[in-house]
Parts: sequence; structure tokens; C-alpha cells
Amino acid sequence: ILNVEQSPQSLHVQEGDSTNFTCSFPSSNFYALHWYRWETAKSPEALFVMTLNGDEKKKGRISATLNTKEGYSYLYIKGSQPEDSATYLCALFQSNTGNQFYFGTGTSLTVIP
Amino acid sequence: DAMVIQNPRYQVTQFGKPVTLSCSQTLNHNVMYWYQQKSSQAPKLLFHYYDKDFNNEADTPDNFQSRRPNTSFCFLDIRSPGLGDAAMYLCATSRSGTGGYNEQFFGPGTRLTVL
Repeated sequence: ILNVEQSPQSLHVQEGDSTNFTCSFPSSNFYALHWYRWETAKSPEALFVMTLNGDEKKKGRISATLNTKEGYSYLYIKGSQPEDSATYLCALFQSNTGNQFYFGTGTSLTVIP
Repeated sequence: DAMVIQNPRYQVTQFGKPVTLSCSQTLNHNVMYWYQQKSSQAPKLLFHYYDKDFNNEADTPDNFQSRRPNTSFCFLDIRSPGLGDAAMYLCATSRSGTGGYNEQFFGPGTRLTVL
């Protein structure tokens, strides 16, 4: 069983604060790392697909970085808003496991107005 | 607008009573996945289809089966649900090609309760 770990498990921040959380994964056979946002009662939505070491991607106030050599990715949210409240999931795709995605347990973010 | 639809959103069944969850997509994607997520755990892949090619994960219980009659529809059949099968079941799709580079599109999930 491949271990993808996310920390922290949950996080409460004040509106306007910036925040970040981590996804750690085995660095061997790396192929791609996905980030998804899952709002309550909705479908998980893709934020980023990251494939290259050193990748940095940005979508509005949210950005992500990738370090495949040490096996981690950071997700940053600048100036958190209540609508950012969601669970953020990362998923690892390795090159030797067919179409298997390995998900972390997620970081639950609550932004307090 | 919905691209991946799951029905029903909530399903209650009795211990041992077969149940079927359904998923449909309007994206015409080749790959479809079924995940199981238990409380506070990571979504776990049960199986996936590449077109009609079925791929069962090694640790997926025999109690779980799937059908994909056409590109748009996929079903998850639980033959004899146990209390441990209570979970959120997520369906997802992706384009074919280099699978890891393609984002997955998820349905909203079906929450299964077993009484």
C-alpha cells in the first residue's frame, strides 16, 4: 500500500489570512500529482495537475509547488475567503501502477468570516 | 451542466440486500473509476474501466462488481452489503492517453448507509 500523507488534517483560519498545507508522497516512480478541492455537498474539482520537479502552478489566489526528489507538494492560499472552505485532496499517480491514483486523506480548511 | 452524475445521492439498504449505484457522464471520456471513501479515510480505488476493459484492484472485495454497458454509464453492484460497506462512493472519469496527466472529473458521490 502506497502512503500519501496530508497535513494538517484540519485547519481553521481567519478571513484574509494566508495559509498552506502539505502533501507528502514516495518519490520513486513519480508520474504526476493532482490537487482537488471538495466542497461539502459538491463534486471534487481539479485544481492542479503537476508533473515536473520544481513545477509551480497558480489559479487566482491558490498556488502549488512540487518537489519530486524529496516527495512533497505545497498548496498555498493567499488571503483566504469563506468560499475557500473545503477539503483539499492530493492524489499521486505513479508510472508503474497502471491507472491507479493514490489519494491522501485530505486537509479540511475552514475560513472564519 | 452536470458532467458526471451519480444517483442516488443517498442510499439506504439493509444488511445483505443487494444494491446498485449508478454513474453517468456527458464528457465522452474513455476512463471511468469507482472509489470508496470511508469516514476520515482517503478515497480508495475499487476498479476502473478503460473503454470496456475492466481493471479490478487486487484488494477490492468480491462482493463488489461493476458494469459498463456503454461509454456514458457505469454501475457499482454490491451483492451482499455489510455494515463495513457503509461509505461514500465516488465515480470519476478522465480522458484516455497518458492517464496521470489527465485530471479526473468527479460526480458528487452516493452516500451508502447499511442498516
